Amino acid sequence: GENVEQHPSTLSVQEGDSAVIKCTYSDSASNYFPWYKQELGKGPQLIIDIRSNVGEKKDQRIAVTLNKTAKHFSLHITETQPEDSAVYFCAASILIGSYGQNFVFGPGTRLSVLP
Amino acid sequence: EAGVAQSPRYKIIEKRQSVAFWCNPISGHATLYWYQQILGQGPKLLIQFQNNGVVDDSQLPKDRFSAERLKGVDSTLKIQPAKLEDSAVYLCASSLELAGFETQYFGPGTRLLVL
Repeated sequence: GENVEQHPSTLSVQEGDSAVIKCTYSDSASNYFPWYKQELGKGPQLIIDIRSNVGEKKDQRIAVTLNKTAKHFSLHITETQPEDSAVYFCAASILIGSYGQNFVFGPGTRLSVLP
Repeated sequence: EAGVAQSPRYKIIEKRQSVAFWCNPISGHATLYWYQQILGQGPKLLIQFQNNGVVDDSQLPKDRFSAERLKGVDSTLKIQPAKLEDSAVYLCASSLELAGFETQYFGPGTRLLVL
């Protein structure tokens, strides 16, 4: 089955610096890769996603890159702010039946942005 | 638009007792997911419904866990009897459809502590 690894497990950066979180997956059939942000006491919230036919996607300060050959994808946050502090999860889709999907999540990265 | 609702938010029980969690997905969302999130880990899928039918329950410990979505809207997840290792946050999520790259929306979760 699908296995998703995520590094680093913790990351501390100074406000204004960039943060990069990397994930690898094992199932070559995975074709959708969402990233979630989870704040304390809340459920995960989708922040950006990428499909397998795209190599890069950007939304303001957040970008995601995908290398299908190497089976890895990364989250990039630029100009970090204290409110970016949270736990970030990557996920990879797995096919269910002929058209359905669900997801395998990475173990998470705790990002701390220091003022 | 109202989000995914879950109750209770917190529950403390003793081992071997029973517990039930309730989820109300976003209106109109056909797909509903229950996840278990152990402290320091990513969410792990327990069961996935499409309307009132089960799509995937391969990771549900069926000797003690059960779930239903009788009318294709609300869902309940039950644990009977609970074990210490069931201590976790139970997250409910919903998406519009099963197919394609549909965004999952998560509820705030129910934090369960088994003593």
